[in-house]
Amino acid sequence: GQNIDQPTEMTATEGAIVQINCTYQTSGFNGLFWYQQHAGEAPTFLSYNVLDGLEEKGRFSSFLSRSKGYSYLLLKELQMKDSASYLCAAMDSNYQLIWGAGTKLIIKP
Amino acid sequence: TAGITQAPTSQILAAGRSMTLRCTQDMRHNAMYWYRQDLGLGLRLIHYSNTAGTTGKGEVPDGYSVSRANTDDFPLTLASAVPSQTSVYFCASSGSSGRDTGELFFGEGSRLTVL
Repeated sequence: GQNIDQPTEMTATEGAIVQINCTYQTSGFNGLFWYQQHAGEAPTFLSYNVLDGLEEKGRFSSFLSRSKGYSYLLLKELQMKDSASYLCAAMDSNYQLIWGAGTKLIIKP
Repeated sequence: TAGITQAPTSQILAAGRSMTLRCTQDMRHNAMYWYRQDLGLGLRLIHYSNTAGTTGKGEVPDGYSVSRANTDDFPLTLASAVPSQTSVYFCASSGSSGRDTGELFFGEGSRLTVL
């Protein structure tokens, strides 16, 4: 079956760095997405990886290893506004997205 | 800029009643989707439409129907609501059928409670 695993909750300190991991098993693969979702709001797109390696976008970076079925989202210089859920989603061979349950990130001052 | 608009924002519905959740986008996106989001679970696809005039079933289509008469509108209908359909519903669109980056743009969500 198809599956996405990511931690349920993580806690980090303002100004620090946090890495949110995601492992996936899909029938075929057409890319890995990260979305941010603040409580009570809609998800918003953060990143897309289809090739192995690190994609950097400001304070946020996303990494993909296709051979390991593994991705992570790296958040640097954490700010209180980064408190949110981070959703990992993999696109399968039919171009359908398989979603993880999300990682709730709590930032403490 | 409107983007993608859902209505209503929230609704309490008696079991057995019918309900239509409305979704409109002004980005001229071909593909549109309906998801439900429940605590502890990932987003689950209910129905989708790759282009106007076509629809398809997602992971959890039972009890729901959709139509896509034009590019902009993609309503979701619950013919006879049941308590297990209590959820937050998100409409989303993308500029293609998801074959490139497939970035999804989401509406603000509709919180539905079925009693």
